[in-house]
Amino acid sequence: NAGVTQTPKFRVLKTGQSMTLLCAQDMNHEYMYWYRQDPGMGLRLIHYSVGEGTTAKGEVPDGYNVSRLKKQNFLLGLESAAPSQTSVYFCASSQPFGLGALNEQFFGPGTRLTVL
Amino acid sequence: RKEVEQDPGPFNVPEGATVAFNCTYSNSASQSFFWYRQDCRKEPKLLMSVYSSGNEDGRFTAQLNRASQYISLLIRDSKLSDSATYLCVVNTYNQFYFGTGTSLTVIP
Repeated sequence: NAGVTQTPKFRVLKTGQSMTLLCAQDMNHEYMYWYRQDPGMGLRLIHYSVGEGTTAKGEVPDGYNVSRLKKQNFLLGLESAAPSQTSVYFCASSQPFGLGALNEQFFGPGTRLTVL
Repeated sequence: RKEVEQDPGPFNVPEGATVAFNCTYSNSASQSFFWYRQDCRKEPKLLMSVYSSGNEDGRFTAQLNRASQYISLLIRDSKLSDSATYLCVVNTYNQFYFGTGTSLTVIP
């Protein structure tokens, strides 16, 4: 039982390049989330998904796209990377409130992205 | 107004001390509440959920006051290994809102 995994762990991009971050969970969770964490800002929600085939915007969605084609995977795409997207990206999953005993979030280990 | 606010600290306390962290949230409809711990450059990990009746896990005690929209975490007999950032987290309609975290350093 690996929990939540993220690939890659580190990446350096040049401005304008694109990339996809992959998140996978093996806990059969309905909900999945992408956050970014910047110094002094706390975790900010980029996009989330409440089930396979559904996605929704969070607090800071601009410049990102997501897809949830399979329940266990949630992909985060950067179409044209900008230096402002330099950050640590965390994926998380949870059960909906009322389904899981606690419905807490479980996090992946993070992806450290630098855009030059 | 931010969904969740907490004092960023830092808190520097000697080993064995008792330290308390506080957090307020803005939405009275919030449904569940948590304290997470985050070590430097690592992912947040659940420390404990917070219930209205209050709950204790070893040296850690969490309290929730729904009327005041206030959450607290008490750490007794601090250990060096407690040094970390503590995140207050609130779930409102299945979206999780995070405080910016409170930094704790326990000094020998």
